[in-house]
Amino acid sequence: AQRVTQPEKLLSVFKGAPVELKCNYSYSGSPELFWYVQYSRQRLQLLLRHISRESIKGFTADLNKGETSFHLKKPFAQEEDSAMYYCALNYGGSQGNLIFGKGTKLSVKP
Amino acid sequence: KAGVTQTPRYLIKTRGQQVTLSCSPISGHRSVSWYQQTPGQGLQFLFEYFSETQRNKGNFPGRFSGRQFSNSRSEMNVSTLELGDSALYLCASSTGAGGFTYNSPLHFGNGTRLTVT
Repeated sequence: AQRVTQPEKLLSVFKGAPVELKCNYSYSGSPELFWYVQYSRQRLQLLLRHISRESIKGFTADLNKGETSFHLKKPFAQEEDSAMYYCALNYGGSQGNLIFGKGTKLSVKP
Repeated sequence: KAGVTQTPRYLIKTRGQQVTLSCSPISGHRSVSWYQQTPGQGLQFLFEYFSETQRNKGNFPGRFSGRQFSNSRSEMNVSTLELGDSALYLCASSTGAGGFTYNSPLHFGNGTRLTVT
């Protein structure tokens, strides 16, 4: 069965420090991978997708099929990055069926 | 474009009652999906509707049902409520064309927080 694992429930870093939020998935095919973010009192929103290979708000994520990972990285964390981050997988069954990890709460301290 | 709209924002119900939640997708989006979010289980997929047909269903009991109307608006119903149904219910919409999202990722609403007492 498809599964997404985010090993860290909470990640706390200081402003300016590098950040890496880990995401591992189990699926033998070619999935779509996403990172969604939920800021305090805001709706869940897409941060980035592996197919677009772009940097959003300084964050990047590379799909590593060999390690089945899709880690989210940012070289210099900002206080406004504090939020819940969810990794999600779409295996192509249907657009609306995403499998989410349980999320990592990122706290960036001043 | 207006975002995904869910009503009501909050609901308090008693065990055994039933509840209906509503979702209006982004204009032009034909797929509506529902998710249950709890602290213990995280985000879990309930079902997806596309063109008024249920296209996919998660692993939830039959007490959870939904429907979609011709204008793509969707409702979700939970019958015989249990305490464990207390959760944030999220609705998401997308264009719905195909299995992969490509240029149409999911857009989420603010959710309906259901409390069962």
